[in-house]
Amino acid sequence: QVQLVESGGGVVQPGRSLRLSCVASGFSFNTYAIHWVRQAPGKGLEWVALMWHDDVSQYYADSVKGRFTVSRDKSKNTLSLQMNSLRAEDTAVYYCVRASRLKFGGDAFDIWGQGTVVTVTS
Amino acid sequence: DIQMTQSPSSLSASVGDRVTITCRASETISVYLNWYQQKPGKAPNLLIYAASTLQSGVPSRFSGSGSGTDFTLTISNLQPEDFATYYCQQSYTTRVTFGGGTKIEIK
Repeated sequence: QVQLVESGGGVVQPGRSLRLSCVASGFSFNTYAIHWVRQAPGKGLEWVALMWHDDVSQYYADSVKGRFTVSRDKSKNTLSLQMNSLRAEDTAVYYCVRASRLKFGGDAFDIWGQGTVVTVTS
Repeated sequence: DIQMTQSPSSLSASVGDRVTITCRASETISVYLNWYQQKPGKAPNLLIYAASTLQSGVPSRFSGSGSGTDFTLTISNLQPEDFATYYCQQSYTTRVTFGGGTKIEIK
């Protein structure tokens, strides 16, 4: 079964850190780009970060750049999101998402994890 | 970053209705436009990619069109399970962006 499973969410104080994990199964994890997308309570979807399948190229939203870092452990089929200096506005459900490259370019987010909840509050 | 503007932000419709949602990009994105459906408490689900290609398993009452900056998602013969929130997304740039969402509610 093709799936992504996130973990690591929780309640944390502003300024502290949290590490999210995303475990992939049922597909060749190392050949796909994997994104993180978040959704604040009652709000829309916000793209957060991307790790290319080459494990070298990473991209971040301006709102998290310098605070969040993605990394991949191919031996464990796991993508991680290290979140430092957390703020109240980082409170959201965080989704790990597989991006499938389309034949003439562009990507489609075809596999989503169930999400993990991060709450930043004092 | 490319801005994606969806309209309307919400609408009320009845079972059997035909519904159209529009999405406008702040600059041209060719056909690199995807549509997702999200139900409460669930992760989004890919409906349409590359502006008009139906994802496997998605009912044919869903259709998409457009290119450049203007796109539409149409649901013909609205079914009870279609009441949800819909998002467009551009994948023209590496830093993808989503529209603000359109919530379809029961009239």
